[in-house]
Amino acid sequence: SQQGEEDPQALSIQEGENATMNCSYKTSINNLQWYRQNSGRGLVHLILIRSNEREKHSGRLRVTLDTSKKSSSLLITASRAADTASYFCATGSQGAQKLVFGQGTRLTINP
Amino acid sequence: GAVVSQHPSWVICKSGTSVKIECRSLDFQATTMFWYRQFPKQSLMLMATSNEGSKATYEQGVEKDKFLINHASLTLSTLTVTSAHPEDSSFYICSASEQTHSNQPQHFGDGTRLSIL
Repeated sequence: SQQGEEDPQALSIQEGENATMNCSYKTSINNLQWYRQNSGRGLVHLILIRSNEREKHSGRLRVTLDTSKKSSSLLITASRAADTASYFCATGSQGAQKLVFGQGTRLTINP
Repeated sequence: GAVVSQHPSWVICKSGTSVKIECRSLDFQATTMFWYRQFPKQSLMLMATSNEGSKATYEQGVEKDKFLINHASLTLSTLTVTSAHPEDSSFYICSASEQTHSNQPQHFGDGTRLSIL
C-alpha cells in the first residue's frame, strides 16, 4: 500500500523560480528517499535522508525531514527546464526490504 | 556506477502469449531486485521482491502464477508475464539494491512498456 502522500500533485512554475514539494507518511521510518522520473523512463535516486537527520543538501536540492510531523520537503532552487519530471518520495522502515512510494508530484518548469 | 539495464524497452504482442522482461545490474551485485508496475500518471506499485537464489515475495493481490519472477544470479532477474491479456498492458520497471534492507537507494532500469493486443 502507498503510505506517502505528496503535495501538490502537480506544480507548474517559471524557470529560475524555486520549487517545493512535500511528502507526508504514516508509520515509523528509518530513512526517506527522493527520486525523479522523466516521462517514460525509470526512476533516478536524488537524495536519502536518515531518520536522525533534519536537513540534507545536494547541489540545488535541499531536503528536510520532520519525524515529529511525519513529513519531508524537497526544494529545488533556481529551477531549469530540465527539472521537468515527476518526483516521488519513498520511505524505508526498520527490517523492511522494500520502499513505500508516495503518489508523486508532477513538476513542470516553463521556459 | 550502479547501472541497471532493463530489456526490452518496448514490446507489443498478441493476447495469450508470454513475455519475458530482463533486468540486469551491470556494475554491481544485486542482492535484492524489485519489480514494479506503473499506470499512466500514477505511482509505482510494487509487485514483488526477489532475493538471489530465493523465491520471490509477492505483494498482496499479485498473481504469482501470472507473473513469474526468477532471480538466479546476482546480476539478473527476469519477469515473465504468462498468457498475457490486454489488462496486463502497463509500464513495468525493475530496480536493484546491493543490500537486503531498505536504507540504501534502489537503482532503477528504464522500464518496459508492454502492450497486449
